[in-house]
Amino acid sequence: AQSVAQPEDQVNVAEGNPLTVKCTYSVSGNPYLFWYVQYPNRGLQFLLKYITGDNLVKGSYGFEAEFNKSQTSFHLKKPSALVSDSALYFCAVSRQTGRRALTFGSGTRLQVQP
Amino acid sequence: NAGVMQNPRHLVRRRGQEARLRCSPMKGHSHVYWYRQLPEEGLKFMVYLQKENIIDESGMPKERFSAEFPKEGPSILRIQQVVRGDSAAYFCASSPGLESSYEQYFGPGTRLTVT
Repeated sequence: AQSVAQPEDQVNVAEGNPLTVKCTYSVSGNPYLFWYVQYPNRGLQFLLKYITGDNLVKGSYGFEAEFNKSQTSFHLKKPSALVSDSALYFCAVSRQTGRRALTFGSGTRLQVQP
Repeated sequence: NAGVMQNPRHLVRRRGQEARLRCSPMKGHSHVYWYRQLPEEGLKFMVYLQKENIIDESGMPKERFSAEFPKEGPSILRIQQVVRGDSAAYFCASSPGLESSYEQYFGPGTRLTVT
């Protein structure tokens, strides 16, 4: 079975400071990894994905994520947070072969203070 | 270039009634997924369909829930004899199904309230 852990329910950061939202995963075989963002009463928006290749993946709105196979982690990062980044962030994993369904973490609420 | 469309956005049903949720995938996408989100929780996979085929329904409750994706028209998630525990946001996602593209694009969701 595959699983995703987002150990922090909420992350608070001041505007302009760097942010990190943590994610660890468990999956048999090689993973596909994703980050999504959800604004209130909206669907999920795709931010970025890791499929293969460079461990540092760049995505939308200045976000990036680093794949670390040995630590089974895929932390989301941004060098300088904006108030508008405040939202709910979900990490997700699927297997590279077979089942394509995404398994999501429980989400991390990011609060960026002005 | 319309995204994934879901309707209705909000649906209220009394216990025992049927709920029908519709999803039109993005243009060119042939794979549809349904997920359920309970308040303050992550999304849980329910079912994965291609046109006229259910590929993976391992997340679907065994009773009262069914899904289809006909050759023509939207995908439908049907919940019969709804109960209060069915109250949740139901999200549909689509993908092109290409080997090079595994990300899924989500619709705005249908928020089902069972009274």
